Amino acid sequence: DQQVKQNSPSLSVQEGRISILNCDYTNSMFDYFLWYKKYPAEGPTFLISISSIKDKNEDGRFTVFLNKSAKHLSLHIVPSQPGDSAVYFCAASPYSGGGADGLTFGKGTHLIIQP
Amino acid sequence: DVKVTQSSRYLVKRTGEKVFLECVQDMDHENMFWYRQDPGLGLRLIYFSYDVKMKEKGDIPEGYSVSREKKERFSLILESASTNQTSMYLCASSWRWGTGHYEQYFGPGTRLTVT
Repeated sequence: DQQVKQNSPSLSVQEGRISILNCDYTNSMFDYFLWYKKYPAEGPTFLISISSIKDKNEDGRFTVFLNKSAKHLSLHIVPSQPGDSAVYFCAASPYSGGGADGLTFGKGTHLIIQP
Repeated sequence: DVKVTQSSRYLVKRTGEKVFLECVQDMDHENMFWYRQDPGLGLRLIYFSYDVKMKEKGDIPEGYSVSREKKERFSLILESASTNQTSMYLCASSWRWGTGHYEQYFGPGTRLTVT
């Protein structure tokens, strides 16, 4: 049973526009969420995170929104740039402290920025 | 900058061979993790460790073992490699629970092919 779901395997966005990547989760115990970016043949790179006590976290062009009642989070990238083309993974943890447990990842969304 | 290194970027082994994948981190992190990434499946946790000589099973530990003799080093062992273990293996590390830092930092990955 998939606890973290990214229902869009790919997303194509024009350069300069907003990219919105979505993630849904089923486990009510998750209370810390992260987004990672991955280029081919490289390890994932941490982008931004959010704790369940917040509904928004912003870092430069990246903003993550959390809707706990809907068990949904999204990553907004504004404006989108060619270097943003990558696979984006949503991840969740059951402890607000991150804990020693591993993260539960979604299957990823391949974002393609069109010139 | 956090640095997580993995001993090999590419590895080709034969069925039945014993395989060692090594991971080293230089940030004095307490927690270390091994994941595998497969197309369409995202990242799945194999094993993790929260201290020297401590290990915990993740979601897919079958066919694998781990060793953590020193804080900075975490090894993944395939006792008898099989073709279904052909995958991208990713090592990660993070601070211990309660430090306020919860993100995991990943190495570049080892692409293992078992023939």
